[in-house]
Amino acid sequence: EDQVTQSPEALRLQEGESSSLNCSYTVSGLRGLFWYRQDPGKGPEFLFTLYSAGEEKEKERLKATLTKKESFLHITAPKPEDSATYLCAVRPSGGYNKLIFGAGTRLAVHP
Amino acid sequence: DAGVIQSPRHEVTEMGQEVTLRCKPISGHDYLFWYRQTMMRGLELLIYFNNNVPIDDSGMPEDRFSAKMPNASFSTLKIQPSEPRDSAVYFCASSGGGELFFGEGSRLTVL
Repeated sequence: EDQVTQSPEALRLQEGESSSLNCSYTVSGLRGLFWYRQDPGKGPEFLFTLYSAGEEKEKERLKATLTKKESFLHITAPKPEDSATYLCAVRPSGGYNKLIFGAGTRLAVHP
Repeated sequence: DAGVIQSPRHEVTEMGQEVTLRCKPISGHDYLFWYRQTMMRGLELLIYFNNNVPIDDSGMPEDRFSAKMPNASFSTLKIQPSEPRDSAVYFCASSGGGELFFGEGSRLTVL
């Protein structure tokens, strides 16, 4: 069964304190791993797609990496506005384009 | 483009009533997804369409739930009769084959 597990469930950081979020997955053939950001009361907002092991993508203070079993979202020198829930999702092989989501990591960055 | 548009944003109803949620996808996208989000179960895929045709409805909880996509610019998710355990945020998303773009969600409360 395709499965996505994110850790930690919640993370509290001081402004400027770098850290990483983890997304481990088991999937019947990976056709993409996706990271989303979700603010309270809003829909998930797309951040990155990674397709193969070794691939990296960056956007401002965020960098996503991918291995054969997991992905990391590295947050460098975070600011309070980075506080949100970060969701990881996988697209399994087998046709079509559905995404299977993990439970998310709630990040709080305090000044 | 205005993005994925969902209505209503909030719905409060009583057990046994019919609920209809609506979605207008991004123009040109040929995939449409309905997800449900709760604290306990996270984001769950209910059903998705490709070119207005339902592809996978295995996530629909039971016969009380139904979804239609009569044309490329409109979809509905109907719950009849509604139950308190249906209380959740329902998201519609659309895709052109890559990442999914989500609407702001419809928060349903069934009393």
